Amino acid sequence: DGGITQSPKYLFRKEGQNVTLSCEQNLNHDAMYWYRQDPGQGLRLIYYSQIVNDFQKGDIAEGYSVSREKKESFPLTVTSAQKNPTAFYLCASSDVRSQPQHFGDGTRLSIL
Amino acid sequence: QKEVEQNSGPLSVPEGAIASLNCTYSDRGSQSFFWYRQYSGKSPELIMSIYSNGDKEDGRFTAQLNKASQYVSLLIRDSQPSDSATYLCAVKNTGTASKLTFGTGTRLQVTL
Repeated sequence: DGGITQSPKYLFRKEGQNVTLSCEQNLNHDAMYWYRQDPGQGLRLIYYSQIVNDFQKGDIAEGYSVSREKKESFPLTVTSAQKNPTAFYLCASSDVRSQPQHFGDGTRLSIL
Repeated sequence: QKEVEQNSGPLSVPEGAIASLNCTYSDRGSQSFFWYRQYSGKSPELIMSIYSNGDKEDGRFTAQLNKASQYVSLLIRDSQPSDSATYLCAVKNTGTASKLTFGTGTRLQVTL
């Protein structure tokens, strides 16, 4: 089945620790995205990538980092510089031409 | 900053009625518009895409686009309790490659 796989589903971070969220897609999409959603809020774009080895900051990139070494994979690292990391993190991908974004099931990150 | 506005709700409609969800956007050059459904605790699911003025129907869902008024709406006919969710409007702005701007969503409650 084609789709977007995010792991883990739940993640706990200790103070001062970096954690990495995984996102893999087998839809052959060029573009991939990371969003953060806080309770009762909309989606805020963290980073996006339209091609391998290239990515751009979104609206709230501070405290986060990404890489895009393979078309299928776009991992997000939440660094210790992100002081309020508790949120629901969503990865999405799209064909640049057809544009709708399709989402993975998300990762819930909490602070221990 | 390009904006997408939605009434947060909740919008409460009785079972079997028509639910009307509205979205306005600020970028007059926007060409692509999407509606997503998000159940509580889950990731957004694409339900409609619309690119040209007028109506687009898919089953019980109709998307309506009026570019002159910068307005897009979603009608849900014969509303069911399973339609109770948050509906997110997303707009592809001009000059932003594949990025979408999301509204904060309207929460729909379908009552028995």
